[in-house]
Amino acid sequence: GAVVSQHPSWVICKSGTSVKIECRSLDFQATTMFWYRQFPKQSLMLMATSNEGSKATYEQGVEKDKFLINHASLTLSTLTVTSAHPEDSSFYICSVTGVGWNEQFFGPGTRLTVL
Amino acid sequence: GDSVTQMEGPVTLSEEACLTINCTYTATGYPSLFWYVQYPGEGLQLLLKATKADDKGSNKGFEATYRKETTSFHLEKGSVQVSDSAVYFCALSERGNKLVFGAGTILRVKS
Repeated sequence: GAVVSQHPSWVICKSGTSVKIECRSLDFQATTMFWYRQFPKQSLMLMATSNEGSKATYEQGVEKDKFLINHASLTLSTLTVTSAHPEDSSFYICSVTGVGWNEQFFGPGTRLTVL
Repeated sequence: GDSVTQMEGPVTLSEEACLTINCTYTATGYPSLFWYVQYPGEGLQLLLKATKADDKGSNKGFEATYRKETTSFHLEKGSVQVSDSAVYFCALSERGNKLVFGAGTILRVKS
């Protein structure tokens, strides 16, 4: 399977600042990347789906202007949480897949804490 | 829409006990079914999967059979170990690789 990394693994920021999280597919051409959010002791909620070179498709209820997603290459996608607030504190996980695969490969996650 | 329901936890077992975590699904078509495991502080790892009815997925002593007639994909293991303590997620994928997850079941195994 694919090896997926996320950076940073954890971040603490002040309210009102923006935070960028990177998701890299190290050995796999990821035509599609997904971003999930996981609250403590809860399941993963899909935030958006991004295809390389295209605009991301956001799930209902997810603010596209707050959670900016860029999928500039087959190996990198970024999620930027703009003007972060304490309620944005969560565990953010990315996953990747490619053409012909019916499986996603997950990154280790990034824990964001907004003070 | 598609949905996955799995048994609530936490499930607490002694080492070498048998494990069953129930999972049922609702889907309009013929989804692929997955079990993912999340160890403390880590991301999700695919444990096993099945892509069509009557398929059995297996890995690390865990098994699950795709039952179309009961729309179920129960996870089983004959003898659990302390190292199996984790959160287990049942999931399905029907279109465009979009995954729908169950709520997750915490498993705690005591020595």
